[in-house]
Amino acid sequence: QVHLVQSGSELKKPGASVKVSCKASGYTLTTYTMNWVRQAPGQGLEWMGWINTNTGTPTYAQDFAGRFVFSLDTSVNTAYLQISSLKTEDTAVYFCARGITRTKFDPWGQGTLVTVSS
Amino acid sequence: QSALTQPASVSGSPGQSITISCTGTSSDVGYFNYVSWFQQHPGKAPKLMIYEVTNRPSGVSNRFSGFKSGDTASLTISGLQAEDEADYYCLSYTRSSSVIFGGGTKLTVL
Repeated sequence: QVHLVQSGSELKKPGASVKVSCKASGYTLTTYTMNWVRQAPGQGLEWMGWINTNTGTPTYAQDFAGRFVFSLDTSVNTAYLQISSLKTEDTAVYFCARGITRTKFDPWGQGTLVTVSS
Repeated sequence: QSALTQPASVSGSPGQSITISCTGTSSDVGYFNYVSWFQQHPGKAPKLMIYEVTNRPSGVSNRFSGFKSGDTASLTISGLQAEDEADYYCLSYTRSSSVIFGGGTKLTVL
């Protein structure tokens, strides 16, 4: 059975960095792309971008170029999202989602709440 | 790029049918047959309900169906059940090789 299990909630101060993990089980990470999606409190879903798990090449949505970095560790079947120079407006739940086709996102991780507060 | 347009809310009684629309442009919904629909219950991860406009993943009830005409895709839920109450999001591929979500629709089962 295919699962994506994400790391736990994080509380960070503005200016700090955070790294969220997304561990795949039931399949080999490099078989499909991995997408990252943000959901701010009470808001909708926002696509952040995706990473080609064969080459490690990331593609970022326009609003997420700069402080956001997607990476992989294929030895542990895990994808990562790192956010640097955190701002209070980065407070959100971050999801990883396996990309079977361009819009067939299945399954999703359970989400990781990142709270940025002084 | 602005989100795809969905109604903020829809409602229906148990047993009824409802349709949620998702309007884009000729550069996304209207150009590709890459439209998916996701269901999200409060505090939970989204769940894929429809992909590539009309296809249902295994395990998803056949009460859920998808359709597209021009720049607008639609999700229909027939035989509404209490458990269908959730937020629904559409997602489309775009000609700029990105994807874009709809703003989301809150479904209330009366």
